[in-house]
Amino acid sequence: GQQLNQSPQSMFIQEGEDVSMNCTSSSIFNTWLWYKQDPGEGPVLLIALYKAGELTSNGRLTAQFGITRKDSFLNISASIPSDVGIYFCAGLLSTGGGNKLTFGTGTQLKVEL
Amino acid sequence: SAVISQKPSRDICQRGTSLTIQCQVDSQVTMMFWYRQQPGQSLTLIATANQGSEATYESGFVIDKFPISRPNLTFSTLTVSNMSPEDSSIYLCSVVTPGGYTFGSGTRLTVV
Repeated sequence: GQQLNQSPQSMFIQEGEDVSMNCTSSSIFNTWLWYKQDPGEGPVLLIALYKAGELTSNGRLTAQFGITRKDSFLNISASIPSDVGIYFCAGLLSTGGGNKLTFGTGTQLKVEL
Repeated sequence: SAVISQKPSRDICQRGTSLTIQCQVDSQVTMMFWYRQQPGQSLTLIATANQGSEATYESGFVIDKFPISRPNLTFSTLTVSNMSPEDSSIYLCSVVTPGGYTFGSGTRLTVV
């Protein structure tokens, strides 16, 4: 089946630093989504990308849908302590059989004050 | 976006028993999805629940182990049957919203 590999697996950064993480797949997707999960909570949608090459921002977050449709990246600028959490990419493929959302392996972000 | 309520939020269960997890959405939705998140892992789709038809299960998940009900367009249940410690996970329901997929806060299940 499809696999989404995220890197890095974890990051330990200083407050104020910029963060970059990416997600690669062996298959193409129609849509890329980026989620953040805090402890004890479900994932919360951060950014959605709908076409190849699309670059979208949401506050300090910027994400891009790769041209090949097999990858995406997420950047966080000027990190703050509340950015701590696990970030997941997710690829959506719409086929005749329906929609299926596949999640990446996750990037754990820790911010040092 | 939709608001999803899951019950219970957590439970500790004896092996061999079953637990039914409820998912209530504040608006009508066509498809509801159930995911499992094992400790320290990503989310894996268990099944898709459509109102009025049987759920569609992903590879590795079977109806006998994870029976699903979808009696109307705002509610679904997932039962984890004959539990073993390996079933200890977070179970999450999800629905499609205009912006993407929205998730409930999950049910943290521990089987002892």
